[in-house]
Amino acid sequence: AQSVAQPEDQVNVAEGNPLTVKCTYSVSGNPYLFWYVQYPNRGLQFLLKYITGDNLVKGSYGFEAEFNKSQTSFHLKKPSALVSDSALYFCAVRARGDYKLSFGAGTTVTVRA
Amino acid sequence: EPEVTQTPSHQVTQMGQEVILRCVPISNHLYFYWYRQILGQKVEFLVSFYNNEISEKSEIFDDQFSVERPDGSNFTLKIRSTKLEDSAMYFCASTVWGESEAFFGQGTRLTVV
Repeated sequence: AQSVAQPEDQVNVAEGNPLTVKCTYSVSGNPYLFWYVQYPNRGLQFLLKYITGDNLVKGSYGFEAEFNKSQTSFHLKKPSALVSDSALYFCAVRARGDYKLSFGAGTTVTVRA
Repeated sequence: EPEVTQTPSHQVTQMGQEVILRCVPISNHLYFYWYRQILGQKVEFLVSFYNNEISEKSEIFDDQFSVERPDGSNFTLKIRSTKLEDSAMYFCASTVWGESEAFFGQGTRLTVV
């Protein structure tokens, strides 16, 4: 069975400061890993993915994430947060050869001006 | 930019009634999915659909649920006899192929009263 843990329900940062949203996963074999963002009354928007290759992946809106196989983590980062980054962030994993995504519970990010 | 569209955005139905949720996936995508998110809970996988048949389904997707691709563009989720616990946000998603990132619609909020 595959699963994702997002240990923080909420992350609060000041605008201009670095932002990190944590994610750890459990899956058989090598994972496909994804980050999605959800704004109020909107669907899930794809941010970035790790399939294979470089452990540091870059995505939309200046976000990046680092895959760490030994720690089974895929933390989302942004060097300088914006107020507009305030949203709900989901980490998701898919096992190779599988179709379904398993999501974490989500982390609410609040960036204060 | 191509997007997944879902209708209606909000549906209220009486317990025991049938509902059909509609989705138009991105046109060149081959895999289609339904997920749901009960208020305050994780996004959960329901079913995946490829080549006009179900490729995987979760334990939630029992005999009360069915999916169909009635024409070349629509993808529907039917709940035959709704229960109070079916109240949730239902998301449709599609992928170009099984391993690529999923693109989600904005969701249909189903309220069963």
